[in-house]
Amino acid sequence: DIQMTQSPASLSASLGETVTIECRASEDIYNGLAWYQQKPGKSPQLLIYNANSLHTGVPSRFSGSGSGTQYSLKINSLQSEDVASYFCQQYYNYPYTFGAGTKLELK
Amino acid sequence: EVQLVESGGGLVQPGRSLKLSCLASGFTFSNYGMNWIRQAPGKGLEWVASISSSSSYIYYADTVKGRFTISRDNAKNTLYLQMTSLRSEDTALYYCARHAYGGWFAYWGQGTLVTVSS
Repeated sequence: DIQMTQSPASLSASLGETVTIECRASEDIYNGLAWYQQKPGKSPQLLIYNANSLHTGVPSRFSGSGSGTQYSLKINSLQSEDVASYFCQQYYNYPYTFGAGTKLELK
Repeated sequence: EVQLVESGGGLVQPGRSLKLSCLASGFTFSNYGMNWIRQAPGKGLEWVASISSSSSYIYYADTVKGRFTISRDNAKNTLYLQMTSLRSEDTALYYCARHAYGGWFAYWGQGTLVTVSS
């Protein structure tokens, strides 16, 4: 199984700041990576797929990058509505696996 | 508008069975692969099972293989998860999710809570 190691586990940032969340796969996943945002009490929402493609309706301050085993999600100009947990997911191979998540809070 | 509505969750004793349903609308259900994903209280996401559009391909997480069965009825626009030999560690919010054109989950339901406890 492909293991996804996500960091940091939690993050505190100020409004307007740029934040970056990382995900490392245990083997090459050839850009088969998605990022999700989950607000408290809500279902996860797709942000990014294929490592760097923005899902319909997602604000452009969100971006994804990476290749091979290393991927990242960047949020530019942090807004209050971005307070949430973020998860990466690999879909290069079954079983699909998720990172453990990053909880983003406002400083 | 894509809608996925799960039902069938509840409190069940260890060792018993439960069947979840997910009613889909707003898209051509028979064209898309579907999935179950769960989230234990306060924990992360765990993929449970996937089924292709015509049920030709089915995959399970090792944690549920042999106990859970995913199926679909394209005529009823409904996805199912039959869960047997339930354990306390199966306690979670179970989400139904639709694939897009790849293995990412483009749309999610609101989830149905399964609690396994005596």
